[in-house]
Amino acid sequence: DGGITQSPKYLFRKEGQNVTLSCEQNLNHDAMYWYRQDPGQGLRLIYYSQIVNDFQKGDIAEGYSVSREKKESFPLTVTSAQKNPTAFYLCASSFAVTGTGGPYEQYFGPGTRLTVT
Amino acid sequence: GENVEQHPSTLSVQEGDSAVIKCTYSDSASNYFPWYKQELGKGPQLIIDIRSNVGEKKDQRIAVTLNKTAKHFSLHITETQPEDSAVYFCAAPQNTGGFKTIFGAGTRLFVKA
Repeated sequence: DGGITQSPKYLFRKEGQNVTLSCEQNLNHDAMYWYRQDPGQGLRLIYYSQIVNDFQKGDIAEGYSVSREKKESFPLTVTSAQKNPTAFYLCASSFAVTGTGGPYEQYFGPGTRLTVT
Repeated sequence: GENVEQHPSTLSVQEGDSAVIKCTYSDSASNYFPWYKQELGKGPQLIIDIRSNVGEKKDQRIAVTLNKTAKHFSLHITETQPEDSAVYFCAAPQNTGGFKTIFGAGTRLFVKA
């Protein structure tokens, strides 16, 4: 089955610890994204990547880091510098915008709910 | 940059009635307008989208209309069912190469049986 997976579904950490959220896709998408969702709110972009070994900051990148070493994988690290890390984190992927095509639908994973105490 | 406003934030309808959710956008160059449905504890899923070269698109009980002049687009759900209860998000691309998508704040739809 083609799709996008995130693990784990629930994650608990103590304050001051870094934590890495996994995101994998087998849709052959070039573009991948990380969003943060707080209760009752919309989606805010943390980081995005259009191609392997390249990524850009979104609107709320402070306290987060990413890597894109493989096309299929886009892990997100929530560092201890993130002041309010408890949230629902969503990963998404899509075909990349080209000169003649796009934008395209984003496919979302099931999300990881991170709780930091 | 693009700004997307969505309303209402909450909508409650009786089963069988219609529901309408509206969004406005600011960038006249935006050319793609998706609608996503998010069920509790899950990731959003695309339910319908429209590109700027058409004014309306239908898929069974859902439809999207686009008014480019007024820069607004709407989601219409007819004959609502309890399983339509969810949060709905509209979105539009931020045209810095279209790499970023700006989402509305969401509408929580309740369909009462």
